[in-house]
Amino acid sequence: KNQVEQSPQSLIILEGKNCTLQCNYTVSPFSNLRWYKQDTGRGPVSLTIMTFSENTKSNGRYTATLDADTKQSSLHITASQLSDSASYICVVSVSSGTYKYIFGTGTRLKVLA
Amino acid sequence: NAGVMQNPRHLVRRRGQEARLRCSPMKGHSHVYWYRQLPEEGLKFMVYLQKENIIDESGMPKERFSAEFPKEGPSILRIQQVVRGDSAAYFCASSPGDGNQPQHFGDGTRLSIL
Repeated sequence: KNQVEQSPQSLIILEGKNCTLQCNYTVSPFSNLRWYKQDTGRGPVSLTIMTFSENTKSNGRYTATLDADTKQSSLHITASQLSDSASYICVVSVSSGTYKYIFGTGTRLKVLA
Repeated sequence: NAGVMQNPRHLVRRRGQEARLRCSPMKGHSHVYWYRQLPEEGLKFMVYLQKENIIDESGMPKERFSAEFPKEGPSILRIQQVVRGDSAAYFCASSPGDGNQPQHFGDGTRLSIL
């Protein structure tokens, strides 16, 4: 069964600190892995997209890694800001005819001043 | 360059009524996806459409739900005879193509059933 699991469910950190969010997946055949940021009451916004051959991709203070062998990904946030408070969603794309997108339930990050 | 526009942002219906949710994709995008998000849960895929065609509706309930993306105008997600369990946030996303193309999301329609 295609599944995407994220951990932790929620996380509280102080402004300026770094943090790492985890995503494990059991998806086949794998096409790509995406990280989204979803602010409360808004739609998700794409942070990174990685294909099978990519190990790391950065977008400003966000760095995503992918280990296709262990089927794990992480999102590292550097020097957190209050505006980073949001849900971070890992999405894995399955390629079988058409593309299907399997969403994780997200990690709720709260950054405190 | 407007993003994905969804309307209404909030919709309240009584049980048994019909709900129509609209999605205007980004300019130049011909692929539209609808998702449902229940409180405290992740987004669940419902249907994938290209202009005038339903490509994949495997996530959409067989009864009461339908979707279209006409040649002209927005994509419509239609829910007939709504029930309390239909209360959720419905998000639309668009992309210029499939595969490794990023999806751009609207801010959703929050549907409440009384």
